[in-house]
Amino acid sequence: SQELEQSPQSLIVQEGKNLTINCTSSKTLYGLYWYKQKYGEGLIFLMMLQKGGEEKSHEKITAKLDEKKQQSSLHITASQPSHAGIYLCGADGITGTASKLTFGTGTRLQVTL
Amino acid sequence: GAGVSQSPRYKVAKRGQDVALRCDPISGHVSLFWYQQALGQGPEFLTYFQNEAQLDKSGLPSDRFFAERPEGSVSTLKIQRTQQEDSAVYLCASSSREGWATQYFGPGTRLLVL
Repeated sequence: SQELEQSPQSLIVQEGKNLTINCTSSKTLYGLYWYKQKYGEGLIFLMMLQKGGEEKSHEKITAKLDEKKQQSSLHITASQPSHAGIYLCGADGITGTASKLTFGTGTRLQVTL
Repeated sequence: GAGVSQSPRYKVAKRGQDVALRCDPISGHVSLFWYQQALGQGPEFLTYFQNEAQLDKSGLPSDRFFAERPEGSVSTLKIQRTQQEDSAVYLCASSSREGWATQYFGPGTRLLVL
């Protein structure tokens, strides 16, 4: 069964627009990771959140973990073509084992000119 | 190199052939993970090493899959008698310590079984 749900599955936005991707779990998230993947490439680490209410930003990307530690969001401000790719959330500890990550199915982002 | 490297990047195998996929983790990283990513899906865990010890192999789909890390650095994922359903991207990741440590991924090996 899929333990991490991502929404939307795909997203097309115009350059300059803001967007949000969500990641939801039915279980408490002990470590929540956001990665970006381009076709034919590996996963690029973006951010990691551990504490309820935590928020981190890097350049135009902000990630938040809610107080209950069951939902995370990734927000991109003023999107650019370089933001295009597949965004994956991964959770550490969701299956009871600290080390292996459980991933959502990903959100495919396209940025149009 | 500074990151995780994997070889080969692409592999085409005939059904029934054996394949070996290599992973070179970041130098000094004690933990190493293998994941399988089917088209349009997120990566799924296969197996985990801490140094040379294979601590979790619960994700290996069948006994045709075998992984090793004999000296605690380079790892090899071997698939025997490949089947079409083995076609996927195989990703390797390493982290500096056990548990709740960021995993850094390699570029993956794309395996196509004909």
